[in-house]
Amino acid sequence: EPEVTQTPSHQVTQMGQEVILRCVPISNHLYFYWYRQILGQKVEFLVSFYNNEISEKSEIFDDQFSVERPDGSNFTLKIRSTKLEDSAMYFCASSRPGWGYTFGSGTRLTVV
Amino acid sequence: KNEVEQSPQNLTAQEGEFITINCSYSVGISALHWLQQHPGGGIVSLFMLSSGKKKHGRLIATINIQEKHSSLHITASHPRDSAVYICAVRGATNKLIFGTGTLLAVQP
Repeated sequence: EPEVTQTPSHQVTQMGQEVILRCVPISNHLYFYWYRQILGQKVEFLVSFYNNEISEKSEIFDDQFSVERPDGSNFTLKIRSTKLEDSAMYFCASSRPGWGYTFGSGTRLTVV
Repeated sequence: KNEVEQSPQNLTAQEGEFITINCSYSVGISALHWLQQHPGGGIVSLFMLSSGKKKHGRLIATINIQEKHSSLHITASHPRDSAVYICAVRGATNKLIFGTGTLLAVQP
């Protein structure tokens, strides 16, 4: 069964450093998403991406965040200058019209 | 007030019991998703519903659009069903709005 692949599974970074979280969505899916889950809290929407541009973003997704689909297969989330409160599990997901979501297994980001 | 409310927040059951988890939402939706999250953190999609009822193995999901309510049932529960079950709704855009989840523990 097709999978959404996320790398790395764990990342520890110093506050103020840039991090890039990587995802390979399912190849025939058209919509791509990033969500995050702070420990002990519910999953929150960050951004959706369709047709090579952001289709929707949440208030969390400020100027410190950016997304790219650089080569038609990878889908990345960049955090420019990490803060302690960015520590969370980040999930990539993809979908196509009329079908459910497929989630990646997540990247646990720890900012120290 | 949360747009998606789940109950109960925690549920402990004995193996073999019939389990029901409820979800109520306050926004217009195009679909409702039931998801499962295991302790390692990964999220697995169980059902996507826009009306009626779906069944997969021992899992049954129902939705009542008029009442803005959905239920997830597990028949003949087993310890391997222990996980967090999450209700999430999809609105006019494709983003999901998540509930807080129900932590289910099934004891042998």
